[in-house]
Amino acid sequence: DAGITQSPRHKVTETGTPVTLRCHQTENHRYMYWYRQDPGHGLRLIHYSYGVKDTDKGEVSDGYSVSRSKTEDFLLTLESATSSQTSVYFCAISETTGRYNTEAFFGQGTRLTVV
Amino acid sequence: AQRVTQPEKLLSVFKGAPVELKCNYSYSGSPELFWYVQYSRQRLQLLLRHISRESIKGFTADLNKGETSFHLKKPFAQEEDSAMYYCALSGPGTNAGKSTFGDGTTLTVKP
Repeated sequence: DAGITQSPRHKVTETGTPVTLRCHQTENHRYMYWYRQDPGHGLRLIHYSYGVKDTDKGEVSDGYSVSRSKTEDFLLTLESATSSQTSVYFCAISETTGRYNTEAFFGQGTRLTVV
Repeated sequence: AQRVTQPEKLLSVFKGAPVELKCNYSYSGSPELFWYVQYSRQRLQLLLRHISRESIKGFTADLNKGETSFHLKKPFAQEEDSAMYYCALSGPGTNAGKSTFGDGTTLTVKP
């Protein structure tokens, strides 16, 4: 398995509280991503990063912010958690090699419940 | 806009039967197509990608640009194939991680 870990693995938090999820990689891959997985919606991209301090929004970025101060760490923050943000969050990493894109390597996921 | 459609949310077959998981896409250009699999309580992992033209765990998928499809097939399903399968698309020059995923198909292989 690619060296990618997410923490925490499970979290229950109250509506209105801030939450930060961490993704850590040991592969030195340039690209990092946060997805959320919900029944009936598959995987949806929240934010991604293409280098240290270089990030961009994905499909469902409202209510989320990210930071990447080091190559190996990509943080996802819910500034004020809402029940609609209850989901399973996946971090992914990837790289480019010449003409083609590499596959995406995924973390094990973080199950977040907002009550 | 790029889009991936997996019309079947649930698919159930018996062990030894052929299985086909459908994937259709819309993209104006030449996309890269992938199939990812997620076994119970495990992380998503790449199953195969169209550019490699490999057969992984007996699965194959052919990119049909005319029909804009990338269906996943296996001639004889096994119980261990039970999992969630995602079809994904990315454009050339766009990193593979920034892919558009379908909603997924849950495959159950019954004994």
